[in-house]
Amino acid sequence: EAGVTQSPTHLIKTRGQQATLRCSPISGHTSVYWYQQALGLGLQFLLWYDEGEERNRGNFPPRFSGRQFPNYSSELNVNALELEDSALYLCASSPNRGQPQHFGDGTRLSIL
Amino acid sequence: AQSVTQLDSQVPVFEEAPVELRCNYSSSVSVYLFWYVQYPNQGLQLLLKYLSGSTLVKGINGFEAEFNKSQTSFHLRKPSVHISDTAEYFCAVSDRFGGSEKLVFGKGTKLTVNP
Repeated sequence: EAGVTQSPTHLIKTRGQQATLRCSPISGHTSVYWYQQALGLGLQFLLWYDEGEERNRGNFPPRFSGRQFPNYSSELNVNALELEDSALYLCASSPNRGQPQHFGDGTRLSIL
Repeated sequence: AQSVTQLDSQVPVFEEAPVELRCNYSSSVSVYLFWYVQYPNQGLQLLLKYLSGSTLVKGINGFEAEFNKSQTSFHLRKPSVHISDTAEYFCAVSDRFGGSEKLVFGKGTKLTVNP
């Protein structure tokens, strides 16, 4: 069974640009979650999508947004990039509510 | 709101020694509890989970954890560690009934196993 896959592995941008990160969940999983792992800040919840709808959002500004497609894959968009957005962005999926989340290897976003 | 405290940021041990990584949580509601491991340049791998039932939970790679509701703890243990266990370990909780589904993580414990 293929795990959660994320692309790209690394992404380098400059301040003010926009970044798009992609995630494919495990087959059969309908929920997708996004987390940010920034140096010194730990792992913080960003977004939860289930059945194509945004279900919950962490304490992040609106320039962090995303969507979930009919095949349950997801993308995270970050607009107007700032230096502090540099982090590892992790995507996770689960088959339904209350089940453990399985993580991908992340996209490392570096802002120059 | 929920919070997780991992009491040790770094734990050095010798190979074949036992280890305990401590985790305490705070929540006003019932929770699910998890331990994840992160190897360098990788994502998180689920080690074990407590959803309900027996308070002693066994996971992969010989790890186990015990849920103690009265002490709001979920400590991770392994009786004999290997060099390959060197990694960062994260304790996490989620709201059992609230439907928010988000995981709240501790700051992590870096386990270093020395020969």
